[in-house]
Amino acid sequence: NAGVMQNPRHLVRRRGQEARLRCSPMKGHSHVYWYRQLPEEGLKFMVYLQKENIIDESGMPKERFSAEFPKEGPSILRIQQVVRGDSAAYFCASSPLAGPYNEQFFGPGTRLTVL
Amino acid sequence: DQQVKQNSPSLSVQEGRISILNCDYTNSMFDYFLWYKKYPAEGPTFLISISSIKDKNEDGRFTVFLNKSAKHLSLHIVPSQPGDSAVYFCAGTGTASKLTFGTGTRLQVTL
Repeated sequence: NAGVMQNPRHLVRRRGQEARLRCSPMKGHSHVYWYRQLPEEGLKFMVYLQKENIIDESGMPKERFSAEFPKEGPSILRIQQVVRGDSAAYFCASSPLAGPYNEQFFGPGTRLTVL
Repeated sequence: DQQVKQNSPSLSVQEGRISILNCDYTNSMFDYFLWYKKYPAEGPTFLISISSIKDKNEDGRFTVFLNKSAKHLSLHIVPSQPGDSAVYFCAGTGTASKLTFGTGTRLQVTL
């Protein structure tokens, strides 16, 4: 039973380039969450998606960031025109049911470095 | 605004002794709390949770205590083992599905 998969595990981009981070939830999970961890900080919520729908994007920066979870395929977190401050670990989590009382299972993260 | 605070960035405990990790929260809407454990280069792993209708939840060596009036919770690990060395994150949640994490406490269990 594979866990949450994220790829790539490490991503290096130059300022101004685009970064695409992928997340495949656990089998049977239709709820995906993205979190960002800046150095020496805790994880901060970015966005919550169900298949084809954004449920809560209250933690997403207003510009350059977007997320999707299509009917088929992984969830994608897209960062356009990356800046040095985007360097962080990005974690995806999934859960089988909606609601706050269901355990979220985390992937290993993608470490983005912006040069 | 740091809604969940873990004021001790690190803690060192001898093997076999009790580890106590503390967490404070400010958001009165939180009614469910979770502890996650994280090793380097891995994602957080769920450890134990507690609902606000309880004041204690136990799972093996791990016990979480919740003091609602003080908006404080703690994780007790007894006896501590070297494999427990990791970063521990406290998180709170309410009606929304998102988790609000503290900044973590790095636990080192020494021999």
